[in-house]
Amino acid sequence: QSVLTQPPSVSGAPGQTVTISCTGSTSNIGADYDVHWYQQLPGTAPKLLIYGNNNRPSGVPDRFSGSKSGTSASLAITGLQAEDEADYYCQSHDNNVRGVVFGGGTKLTVL
Amino acid sequence: EVQVVESGGGLVQPGGSLRLSCAASEFTVSYYWMSWVRQAPGKGLEWVAKIKQDGSEEYYVDSVKGRFTISRDNARNSVYLEMNNLRVEDTGVYYCAREDRKAYYDISQWFHPWGQGALVSVSS
Repeated sequence: QSVLTQPPSVSGAPGQTVTISCTGSTSNIGADYDVHWYQQLPGTAPKLLIYGNNNRPSGVPDRFSGSKSGTSASLAITGLQAEDEADYYCQSHDNNVRGVVFGGGTKLTVL
Repeated sequence: EVQVVESGGGLVQPGGSLRLSCAASEFTVSYYWMSWVRQAPGKGLEWVAKIKQDGSEEYYVDSVKGRFTISRDNARNSVYLEMNNLRVEDTGVYYCAREDRKAYYDISQWFHPWGQGALVSVSS
């Protein structure tokens, strides 16, 4: 059971928009810690997708965007493409754990 | 291209030991906190350990405290994870990752880049 809660799966058709939620609490996201997102393509290592809530590293398409409000954060993917099919993880810091926490991951299926 | 490459994984019996290595290229590890993150088969990501730039501070997830030791050799631009008294539940892919943060005093950090991972299998 992860400290940050994500839906196990989401799906969408090519071209559609999907959002993945990351729900925390007052000891992590609600304590004003940043949220970061990672994409893990099948059989590969995780890759940084969004850092500092809403910043994209060089090379990440602007179809990916992040937001944060209160004790939750969201990752939005617009113009879905087949190659977006992957697992997505959110990550933050937690005061109770006194360290890094990850969400349980969300599997995105492109229909 | 900034990258890290892990090595040293393998199959070991319960109670055994393994040492993972992480070699960095195109950046200097001495400027960064470095971490190990693992992923059990079919499961999510779990942070395991981290070490400060000069090696003066180390932190571990509770489940590995007293069994795992993270270390670094800045001269070799490398980080290591010594794993002793391994358990079946330690099985998984172990990733080395550089920590980045907005400012040196920031608690919150993100991981980039990640290595390709080292597979550790603990089984009798």
